Amino acid sequence: AQTVTQSQPEMSVQEAETVTLSCTYDTSESDYYLFWYKQPPSRQMILVIRQEAYKQQNATENRFSVNFQKAAKSFSLKISDSQLGDAAMYFCAYPSQETSGSRLTFGEGTQLTVNP
Amino acid sequence: KAGVTQTPRYLIKTRGQQVTLSCSPISGHRSVSWYQQTPGQGLQFLFEYFSETQRNKGNFPGRFSGRQFSNSRSEMNVSTLELGDSALYLCASASGLTGPGELFFGEGSRLTVL
Repeated sequence: AQTVTQSQPEMSVQEAETVTLSCTYDTSESDYYLFWYKQPPSRQMILVIRQEAYKQQNATENRFSVNFQKAAKSFSLKISDSQLGDAAMYFCAYPSQETSGSRLTFGEGTQLTVNP
Repeated sequence: KAGVTQTPRYLIKTRGQQVTLSCSPISGHRSVSWYQQTPGQGLQFLFEYFSETQRNKGNFPGRFSGRQFSNSRSEMNVSTLELGDSALYLCASASGLTGPGELFFGEGSRLTVL
């Protein structure tokens, strides 16, 4: 079974600074995806960024980028130029290949606070 | 394009009652998944429906059930409610045809069991 671990329950960052959220996972699958989801206070989860394991290049979406280390099973999220609107709970998630990807295993989440 | 709509947003029930939650997916999406979110257990997968058939199921007791209609709308039902069923129930839709793809989540239904 897949497991996802986020070891930082809470993180804080100053506006305009950079912050990195950590995630480790365990899987026996060789080809897979990894996601970072964001859940702001409004509660609606939205996809932040997606990484395909067979791609060596780290995914980037505007101010969001990942550091994917397949051998170490590590998948961290870097937020550059942090904005107040980035404040949210961030979840690392692994979609099981056996279930067409609809079954996500989530980490415990990291609550990010952005200080003005 | 309308997003995922969940109703009701908030509800309060007492132990022993049952509850039905509804989810309308994004138009054209045929997969609907349900998740339970609690402070203690985090986000846990309940089940997924695709084209009116349950395709995957998580580790929840039989009191938790669901169904999907021909228009892809889905309902989940919890019978004989327990205090521990108090949670945010999230619905997510996806095209379901190729995977894994992005799941689009609704705002959730907050259930409080007294």
